[in-house]
Amino acid sequence: ETGVTQTPRHLVMGMTNKKSLKCEQHLGHNAMYWYKQSAKKPLELMFVYSLEERVENNSVPSRFSPECPNSSHLFLHLHTLQPEDSALYLCASSQDRGTTYGYTFGSGTRLTVV
Amino acid sequence: KNEVEQSPQNLTAQEGEFITINCSYSVGISALHWLQQHPGGGIVSLFMLSSGKKKHGRLIATINIQEKHSSLHITASHPRDSAVYICAVPNTGNQFYFGTGTSLTVIP
Repeated sequence: ETGVTQTPRHLVMGMTNKKSLKCEQHLGHNAMYWYKQSAKKPLELMFVYSLEERVENNSVPSRFSPECPNSSHLFLHLHTLQPEDSALYLCASSQDRGTTYGYTFGSGTRLTVV
Repeated sequence: KNEVEQSPQNLTAQEGEFITINCSYSVGISALHWLQQHPGGGIVSLFMLSSGKKKHGRLIATINIQEKHSSLHITASHPRDSAVYICAVPNTGNQFYFGTGTSLTVIP
């Protein structure tokens, strides 16, 4: 257990469904991140939150909607996804925004869109 | 073109073998990270290094800043070392460039 908890671990959803991924950390970190990991590709940064404010949105389609209600919780709301959105979605946190301290990752949510 | 290139992409070894995974990068960096991703998906940080060599148990990481190259070595490999090993370097946007990973399988 790294200190970053993601739920659910696995999710199968239809293209018309709405679902949410949850990430929780109690490490006292101020920055949280959503990454997408597809087979044979590098990790792709989706969103960055620093002190509960969204600071980056890397051209992610609007069918992905993040929410950060407080510094310990991060959500990724999903709706009308496409099969190509099937991937491992990883949440990470760091003490502050940036790379100085490295990241702590969760175990990921394996998403399959059917 | 990826700013971080790893080799090999896949590696199978017999238990006990000495393993080397390579990482080359094209950007100037302050530090390089080696990460381990277990089959379940979780990623843990192994090393952060900016020069020379670091050792933790059977794992050794080296970096040559001038040549923009780092290696991760595993001595006396064991099946529990089977995982994907990922190299990451910071970019100017205060984020990371990640390699595509090296998938290691250690056979008993």
